[in-house]
Amino acid sequence: EDQVTQSPEALRLQEGESSSLNCSYTVSGLRGLFWYRQDPGKGPEFLFTLYSAGEEKEKERLKATLTKKESFLHITAPKPEDSATYLCASPGSSNTGKLIFGQGTTLQVKP
Amino acid sequence: GAVVSQHPSRVICKSGTSVKIECRSLDFQATTMFWYRQFPKQSLMLMATSNEGSKATYEQGVEKDKFLINHASLTLSTLTVTSAHPEDSSFYICSASSITDTQYFGPGTRLTVL
Repeated sequence: EDQVTQSPEALRLQEGESSSLNCSYTVSGLRGLFWYRQDPGKGPEFLFTLYSAGEEKEKERLKATLTKKESFLHITAPKPEDSATYLCASPGSSNTGKLIFGQGTTLQVKP
Repeated sequence: GAVVSQHPSRVICKSGTSVKIECRSLDFQATTMFWYRQFPKQSLMLMATSNEGSKATYEQGVEKDKFLINHASLTLSTLTVTSAHPEDSSFYICSASSITDTQYFGPGTRLTVL
């Protein structure tokens, strides 16, 4: 069964304290691993798509990496405005386009 | 690019009335659109998938007669909550995808049924 699992559920950092969020997946025939950011009361905002092991993508203080079993979202020198819930998702093997979401990691960055 | 809009952003209605929510892809043609609902501090729950010109496919447990979905064009899908009741109060979010599986989400609609 296709599955996406995120850890930790919640993460508190001091401003400037770098860390990583983990997304483990078991999906047959991976057709992409997506990262989204969701702020309270808003829809998820697309961040990255990764397709193959070894691929990396960066955007400002965020860098996403992918291995054959997991993906990491590295946050370098975070700022309070990086506080949000980060979601990891992947299309299942059923080819319906439906996304399987992890439960999310809620990040709080304190000044 | 890849902007999805939703209208209205908030709606308050009386129990028993129907509410329509619009979802538009502004700068791309969406072959597939998805409707989700989200309760506070919970993950997104997929309600249905719709393809342009076809009937929507509903997830198990979602009443298709209560949540009517119309995907009339490659840029517009609507969700109508019929005979809304307080338990239908929630945050409804649409998403759209084109030739890749990447889904782009709208800003969401907060529905409150009194």
